[in-house]
Amino acid sequence: DTEVTQTPKHLVMGMTNKKSLKCEQHMGHRAMYWYKQKAKKPPELMFVYSYEKLSINESVPSRFSPECPNSSLLNLHLHALQPEDSALYLCASSQDNDRAGKLFFGSGTQLSVL
Amino acid sequence: GQQLNQSPQSMFIQEGEDVSMNCTSSSIFNTWLWYKQDPGEGPVLLIALYKAGELTSNGRLTAQFGITRKDSFLNISASIPSDVGIYFCAGRAPNNAGNMLTFGGGTRLMVKP
Repeated sequence: DTEVTQTPKHLVMGMTNKKSLKCEQHMGHRAMYWYKQKAKKPPELMFVYSYEKLSINESVPSRFSPECPNSSLLNLHLHALQPEDSALYLCASSQDNDRAGKLFFGSGTQLSVL
Repeated sequence: GQQLNQSPQSMFIQEGEDVSMNCTSSSIFNTWLWYKQDPGEGPVLLIALYKAGELTSNGRLTAQFGITRKDSFLNISASIPSDVGIYFCAGRAPNNAGNMLTFGGGTRLMVKP
């Protein structure tokens, strides 16, 4: 089972709204990631959680707030977003963050900010 | 920081043809990963490479980790319409905290039936 589940699949929100993206994996992975992907571009790393602690924040604006309630769940809280934040938001997980490579991605949340 | 140059940017081929794409870097990597992404979906891992010179196959796909550790290629044999999508290479540099991957710009593959 190499599944990372993300909800919702699509989200439309206004600039004053507060919303959350959710991600879940049951592979026993201890590292989880948020990526942002604009159309026709590669994914860009936003945050890395390792053993439920935030280990990397790639200078992401504070209107994006990650949360890792437990080893299986990862949330991304959104508040006061801008239209340029519209993108595909991808969650990923890996066995841990010191081992080489294999990241498994979810299907993403397509976010539109109006 | 590291950059990965992936080429070609796009390919339009006839069904049944073989496909080759590659990624090059100015610095060394100790892991190469190849992903395929369909529209509106997340990238799906195709092949992972961990040793210089390693050649690995997954069905009609074959990937190699370059001897210099600065490049990798992906071949697809006898392409079919469902091969359509964007293919990304990704590399992990030595001493890279947080399992951070550097992604190539992607190769958009289009297959004509």
